[in-house]
Amino acid sequence: SQQGEEDPQALSIQEGENATMNCSYKTSINNLQWYRQNSGRGLVHLILIRSNEREKHSGRLRVTLDTSKKSSSLLITASRAADTASYFCATDDSGNTPLVFGKGTRLSVIA
Amino acid sequence: DGGITQSPKYLFRKEGQNVTLSCEQNLNHDAMYWYRQDPGQGLRLIYYSQIVNDFQKGDIAEGYSVSREKKESFPLTVTSAQKNPTAFYLCASSINSGQPQHFGDGTRLSIL
Repeated sequence: SQQGEEDPQALSIQEGENATMNCSYKTSINNLQWYRQNSGRGLVHLILIRSNEREKHSGRLRVTLDTSKKSSSLLITASRAADTASYFCATDDSGNTPLVFGKGTRLSVIA
Repeated sequence: DGGITQSPKYLFRKEGQNVTLSCEQNLNHDAMYWYRQDPGQGLRLIYYSQIVNDFQKGDIAEGYSVSREKKESFPLTVTSAQKNPTAFYLCASSINSGQPQHFGDGTRLSIL
């Protein structure tokens, strides 16, 4: 079952620009999480936003959540070549079932 | 350092052979998961376990089997019934369902 759907599928930007990725989901959630995956590696958890939160920051990351539109966005400011990776959103539906991951956005940051 | 370890990094399977992928964690997490990732795709859940001696099928369990005899260990067996096993396999753990997951660095399985 695929809950989150990221958009765009791929994104290419210049170093120093901001990168925005979106995630849409279908059912009500307890929380939404964003992960990063470097090529050939496991995923790394970036940030968790609860259903009663609207915005959260962590360093150069800013996540927003709009439960009325069932969507979230991840903004990476002042991107660096090292930010090149795939980014996935994952939703927690009830707290007693595993997270459901989207298909990801492939971000390329060109130096 | 606490973490989650998958081995081997690369594995080759002959036709008709079962192979077992190892996953060990020292994070004291109750929940563990196995995912399959195909090129350019997201993660698909194979099996998960929320507690020792209990596990549940995910979306694509056919052709796979697991055990959870110890909290730290959640091995995955890819059986000969899995006709298209070539993929990148990821193991993860979390304190409980819904909490952030910690991932291993994966095992890439190929067919000889």
